[in-house]
Amino acid sequence: AQKITQTQPGMFVQEKEAVTLDCTYDTSDPSYGLFWYKQPSSGEMIFLIYQGSYDQQNATEGRYSLNFQKARKSANLVISASQLGDSAMYFCATTGAGSYQLTFGKGTKLSVIP
Amino acid sequence: KAGVTQTPRYLIKTRGQQVTLSCSPISGHRSVSWYQQTPGQGLQFLFEYFSETQRNKGNFPGRFSGRQFSNSRSEMNVSTLELGDSALYLCASSGVGPPDTQYFGPGTRLTVL
Repeated sequence: AQKITQTQPGMFVQEKEAVTLDCTYDTSDPSYGLFWYKQPSSGEMIFLIYQGSYDQQNATEGRYSLNFQKARKSANLVISASQLGDSAMYFCATTGAGSYQLTFGKGTKLSVIP
Repeated sequence: KAGVTQTPRYLIKTRGQQVTLSCSPISGHRSVSWYQQTPGQGLQFLFEYFSETQRNKGNFPGRFSGRQFSNSRSEMNVSTLELGDSALYLCASSGVGPPDTQYFGPGTRLTVL
């Protein structure tokens, strides 16, 4: 079974600043995927970034990067140059080997201050 | 490509009724998964279908069921609704991995009175 822990229920960041959202995971699968999703108040889950457990380099997608530390079992999301539109809930999730089932953390509510 | 669509977007039912939610995946995607999101329990996996077969099921009572059609569209059904079934129900579709990224629809917000 997989478990995701997000220890920051809420965070504030100044517009144009960078912010790091924490995520630690626990899994017994040798192969797994790590995902970050954004959920605005509208409810839709928006895929942001993916990291495979065997990927050597940290994933990046535009202003999003994933700081993957396998030994520490952490997969922190870094958002650079925060924008007002980044205010939302952010969820870290994982899938196990051969499974499409996502296990989510409880999320972090990010508020960007102008 | 069109995204995942879910209908209806909002639904109000009373206890004891049943409800059917629909999900159309991204064109070409054959895997469809369903999730329930509540303030108390967070996001929980319901089930996953691939090529009309249920491949995986979460820890939900038998009142929750689903199916997938030959065109990959999926429906989920909840019978004998309870107040606790009030939630946002999210559908996600996925192509052939890796990565097995799931793309979500806008969700159906179900309120049980």
